Amino acid sequence: DARVTQTPRHKVTEMGQEVTMRCQPILGHNTVFWYRQTMMQGLELLAYFRNRAPLDDSGMPKDRFSAEMPDATLATLKIQPSEPRDSAVYFCASGWGQSNSPLHFGNGTRLTVT
Amino acid sequence: AQSVAQPEDQVNVAEGNPLTVKCTYSVSGNPYLFWYVQYPNRGLQFLLKYITGDNLVKGSYGFEAEFNKSQTSFHLKKPSALVSDSALYFCAVRDTRGTYKYIFGTGTRLKVLA
Repeated sequence: DARVTQTPRHKVTEMGQEVTMRCQPILGHNTVFWYRQTMMQGLELLAYFRNRAPLDDSGMPKDRFSAEMPDATLATLKIQPSEPRDSAVYFCASGWGQSNSPLHFGNGTRLTVT
Repeated sequence: AQSVAQPEDQVNVAEGNPLTVKCTYSVSGNPYLFWYVQYPNRGLQFLLKYITGDNLVKGSYGFEAEFNKSQTSFHLKKPSALVSDSALYFCAVRDTRGTYKYIFGTGTRLKVLA
């Protein structure tokens, strides 16, 4: 089965450090979403790409977060500098740009900022 | 604006009994509705979707969902619950205007008791 691959699965870092999370979407999918999951806030949409172009990043703190798709096989989410409140599980999901297609999620990156 | 509500944080059901996980939605056009399941330390997995047609949609692992337009609901059901169904369940609606992003509910934790 084709899968969305996220690396690393776990990351522990100190406050102020840069964190980069990577996502390999399913080959051929043209949409990529980044979500953050916490107990308090649930599942929050951070950014959304279609055909590698950012369509919506309104949920992302712009001063420290950035999301890019350098090519069709790689999406990145960076936090610089990281803060303890960024501790969460970050999910990448990919899909087709059609309205009725479901998203396919990776298994997430669990980030802990101390 | 499109939105999804899952009114129950947790649902407990005895193994072998029928289960229902509730979801209501608000959309301005035709709804594209989805259910996902999340097991511990995993990403969300697609269960089923409603786009058009029959109001009863069948999905993976014996789950089904009933679309009710007049009540704007899309409840997830299963005739006989298994302990292995214990997980976090998310309802989602896809924005059919503009960005086509997915809006997720806050999730309902299902606990099936042996």
